[in-house]
Amino acid sequence: AQTVTQSQPEMSVQEAETVTLSCTYDTSESDYYLFWYKQPPSRQMILVIRQEAYKQQNATENRFSVNFQKAAKSFSLKISDSQLGDAAMYFCAYRSNLRYGGSQGNLIFGKGTKLSVKP
Amino acid sequence: DARVTQTPRHKVTEMGQEVTMRCQPILGHNTVFWYRQTMMQGLELLAYFRNRAPLDDSGMPKDRFSAEMPDATLATLKIQPSEPRDSAVYFCASVGRGQGLYEQFFGPGTRLTVL
Repeated sequence: AQTVTQSQPEMSVQEAETVTLSCTYDTSESDYYLFWYKQPPSRQMILVIRQEAYKQQNATENRFSVNFQKAAKSFSLKISDSQLGDAAMYFCAYRSNLRYGGSQGNLIFGKGTKLSVKP
Repeated sequence: DARVTQTPRHKVTEMGQEVTMRCQPILGHNTVFWYRQTMMQGLELLAYFRNRAPLDDSGMPKDRFSAEMPDATLATLKIQPSEPRDSAVYFCASVGRGQGLYEQFFGPGTRLTVL
């Protein structure tokens, strides 16, 4: 079974600074997808960024980028130029590649990292 | 602006009462997931439907939970009888046909409190 671990329950960053959130995962599969979701106090789950395991290039979405290390099974999220609106819970999630069957397509989540942004 | 809707947003009930939560997936989406979020367990899968057929409900306590999808526009999660340990936020998420490789769209969640 796949597992996702976020070792930082809480993180803090100064506004305009850069912060990196850590995520490691365990799987025996070779093809899968990784995601970072943001959950603000409203509870809405918002997709921040996604990465296909077969792609070597790290995904980037504006101020958000990932460092995907497949061999190390590591998937960290970097937030640049942090803004007050970035304050939220961040969840790392894993999903099997449906094309290869044996998969439900559900997300497996880490326990989350609470990010605070100081003005 | 297509989105997943869930009702009610909040529910407070007493132990032993029946609770029904509803989810309306995005029109055209054929896969629906139910997740539960608690402080202790985090986000975990309860049940999963594709084309209205239940494919997996191994995450649900079978004696008290049931999930159905009576039609393509409605998924329900029922707890009978409810217990205090069921207090959690319940999320529904949907995925479109052909979009299954990527994003699950989440509803706003139902916060359930069982006293």
